[in-house]
Amino acid sequence: QSVLTQPPSVSGAPGQRVTISCTGSSSNIGADYDVHWYQQLPGTAPKLLIYGNNNRPSGVPDRFSGSKSGTSASLAITGLQAEDEADYYCQSYDSSLSASVFGTGTKVTVL
Amino acid sequence: QVQLVQSGAEVKKPGASVTVSCKASGYTFTGFYMHWVRQAPGQGLEWMGRINPKSGGTNYAQKFQGRITMTRDTSINTAYMELSSLRSDDTAIYYCARVGEYSGYNHVLRYWGQGTLVTVSS
Repeated sequence: QSVLTQPPSVSGAPGQRVTISCTGSSSNIGADYDVHWYQQLPGTAPKLLIYGNNNRPSGVPDRFSGSKSGTSASLAITGLQAEDEADYYCQSYDSSLSASVFGTGTKVTVL
Repeated sequence: QVQLVQSGAEVKKPGASVTVSCKASGYTFTGFYMHWVRQAPGQGLEWMGRINPKSGGTNYAQKFQGRITMTRDTSINTAYMELSSLRSDDTAIYYCARVGEYSGYNHVLRYWGQGTLVTVSS
């Protein structure tokens, strides 16, 4: 059971904007630990998408953006494309567990 | 370029142990923490722990304490993850992942191995 909760699925038409929430608690996101996001295409290893709440590694399109507020964080994808169809995971650090933790994961479907 | 190449798939019986290796290239092996993450079939990502390749120091998730050992061999730039007392629910893809070059971010997993499928079955 993950300590970071995400919606199981979100969907949108090509070109639309979708957001994925990541809800934590006072021992992780709410304790001001940074949130990172990963994209996992089917059958492949995860890929870093956003680090430090809202920073993109080189090569990641600016269609992807992150934010954090209180005990939650969000990933937004604007101008949704067919190639964005994948699973997305948030990650943070939990002080009560002294461990890195992942969210439950969200499947993005492009209609 | 940074590359992490993992060992091949394994099939183990319940109660056995498995060791997965992760050979690093393209960077200074001792300069970056290596993490291990697993993913059961159709499930999400689960953090298992990390090793400091320079010192050998480790941090393990509480769930795996007593069953997991992470080591490294700096002479061949390889990290290892051993999991013992295997159960059927340990069936998963196991990934090694290196942290990024981002100052102050010790858990940002920038580079990933290709994954190693470990199947536990009698």
